[in-house]
Amino acid sequence: KNEVEQSPQNLTAQEGEFITINCSYSVGISALHWLQQHPGGGIVSLFMLSSGKKKHGRLIATINIQEKHSSLHITASHPRDSAVYICAVRSRIQGAQKLVFGQGTRLTINP
Amino acid sequence: DTGVSQDPRHKITKRGQNVTFRCDPISEHNRLYWYRQTLGQGPEFLTYFQNEAQLEKSRLLSDRFSAERPKGSFSTLEIQRTEQGDSAMYLCASSLTDRDFQFSYNEQFFGPGTRLTVL
Repeated sequence: KNEVEQSPQNLTAQEGEFITINCSYSVGISALHWLQQHPGGGIVSLFMLSSGKKKHGRLIATINIQEKHSSLHITASHPRDSAVYICAVRSRIQGAQKLVFGQGTRLTINP
Repeated sequence: DTGVSQDPRHKITKRGQNVTFRCDPISEHNRLYWYRQTLGQGPEFLTYFQNEAQLEKSRLLSDRFSAERPKGSFSTLEIQRTEQGDSAMYLCASSLTDRDFQFSYNEQFFGPGTRLTVL
């Protein structure tokens, strides 16, 4: 079992729908990242959080440390949101700096 | 552009050849990371540097792989005697971490990646 699991692996929705992508992890963490990867490979950091909730525009990220679970929500989805969304965690072990990634969720928003 | 840059963006090589990739981190970022991503998978950690010191290496980094950051700024990743299984996207990221590991500075910023195809 991977340390970071995402669901669903693929998600297709119509423009305007509310989108939820889930991430569960099995290790103690100091931070969780949500990343966006467009075709061509470039990765953009969307959120870094260790507790609670963050909002940026139409994107909302939440984390529940006790349940080891995070969600990424997209409101009023748009075709330009189509991308792979990746959850990554940083271990709580002192000095550990590497990120451990989920396998990604491929999101397609149809007009 | 003051983001992380990588060169080349694409590399096609024949099996057995050596290749070298370069990463230029965000200026003043003291940490630099290399990740590898194969098709349909999330990235996997390869190695990271704190300034010029290589502090951790993944078991994925076989003896054919070597990474350097000689002056604590740019980094190179060399793959010797490439194999078809080395075909992947190689991603570089950088972060600014102070001595006390203040959380707010630990965000990693990613470069566009170098896509390697070994024929």
